[in-house]
Amino acid sequence: EVQLVESGGGLVQPGGSLRLSCAASGFTFSSYWMHWVRQAPGKGLVWVSRINSDGSSTSYADSVKGRFTISRDNAKNTLYLQMNSLRAEDTAVYYCARGFLAHDFDYWGQGTLVTVSS
Amino acid sequence: QAVVTQEPSLTVSPGGTVTLTCGSSTGAVTSGHYPYWFQQKPGQAPRTLIYDTSNKHSWTPARFSGSLLGGKAALTLSGAQPEDEAEYYCLLSYSGFVVFGGGTKLTVL
Repeated sequence: EVQLVESGGGLVQPGGSLRLSCAASGFTFSSYWMHWVRQAPGKGLVWVSRINSDGSSTSYADSVKGRFTISRDNAKNTLYLQMNSLRAEDTAVYYCARGFLAHDFDYWGQGTLVTVSS
Repeated sequence: QAVVTQEPSLTVSPGGTVTLTCGSSTGAVTSGHYPYWFQQKPGQAPRTLIYDTSNKHSWTPARFSGSLLGGKAALTLSGAQPEDEAEYYCLLSYSGFVVFGGGTKLTVL
């Protein structure tokens, strides 16, 4: 059974940093692209970033470029999102999702909540 | 960056048919945008319903179908059920990034 479990969310002050993790199981993690998608309270889905299967290619939404870094450890079956210089508008539930191709999304995690507030 | 547009809300009667659409600010939506459709119910993670315009996953109810219609991507629900009441998001792919639509709140009433 494919499982994606996010962790690392919490309360952080503006300007602070946080690292999210997404633990994958039930499939060959190293064969899939992975995405981060966020959803502010009461708002819609927003794509944040993606990484290819071996970690050599990444892309970001303009709103997070230069502040967030996506990475993965295929030996640990884990996806990461390093978030720096956090702003109030980064407050959201962050989901990880799997895809076989760059544009693909099939399975989603349950999300982890990040709150940026003083 | 491109803007993807959806109807903010739609209502369908139980057993009825409704079509949700997904447009792009860059022009007509084509199969090259690889349209996706997701369903999200309150308090739950999104679930992928349709990929690459019209393909269904094993968990996608047969009453959902995807297509291209009048320069937009479309999700048609035929024979709406109460459990289909949810938010529906489309996703389009562009060069190097993807963009979600703002979502359509579908009410079954």
